[in-house]
Amino acid sequence: EAAVTQSPRSKVAVTGGKVTLSCHQTNNHDYMYWYRQDTGHGLRLIHYSYVADSTEKGDIPDGYKASRPSQENFSLILELASLSQTAVYFCASSDGWGTSAETLYFGSGTRLTVL
Amino acid sequence: QQNVQQSPESLIVPEGARTSLNCTFSDSASQYFWWYRQHSGKAPKALMSIFSNGEKEEGRFTIHLNKASLHFSLHIRDSQPSDSALYLCAVNPNYKPTFGKGTSLVVHP
Repeated sequence: EAAVTQSPRSKVAVTGGKVTLSCHQTNNHDYMYWYRQDTGHGLRLIHYSYVADSTEKGDIPDGYKASRPSQENFSLILELASLSQTAVYFCASSDGWGTSAETLYFGSGTRLTVL
Repeated sequence: QQNVQQSPESLIVPEGARTSLNCTFSDSASQYFWWYRQHSGKAPKALMSIFSNGEKEEGRFTIHLNKASLHFSLHIRDSQPSDSALYLCAVNPNYKPTFGKGTSLVVHP
């Protein structure tokens, strides 16, 4: 089974501080995604990437940056954390979407609380 | 932007019941349709997918897809307490997988 590892598992941050969430996959997948999950909102796409050194905006990118330094690693950066960014964040990888129609494999999630 | 809606928001059924979950989407060009299941405190995990109109069955689970109606559904036969989870449908437009808000299913013994 595909392996996606997120760190940290949980984090408490202060408003205005910088937060970096990390994701590592060992599946040799090209596509990686960051989603946030809030009660009543399902999963919403923040950023995604289909190749190293390139990232794309998802549906809710405001307030977030992403970095894909290698095929295996994908980070989500909150430069100025805000209360509204309190959520559970999931990273996922896939071998491709659309024409490849591959499954998304999710990490265990990072629970972020901004105070 | 793709709009994916799920119904109902929550469902409570007795063990052994047949359960039906629904998903509608807005982009008629969508090609791939998924159901994910997320147990409490866990990561979502792919359950089933369908890529062409019709029906697909895997064990107790069946997916129906009607592209003309912009609708697909998941049916669970002989529901078990272990099926209690959040069920998320997902649709792909242009390499951006979009999820619905989910249906929370509780199967009581």
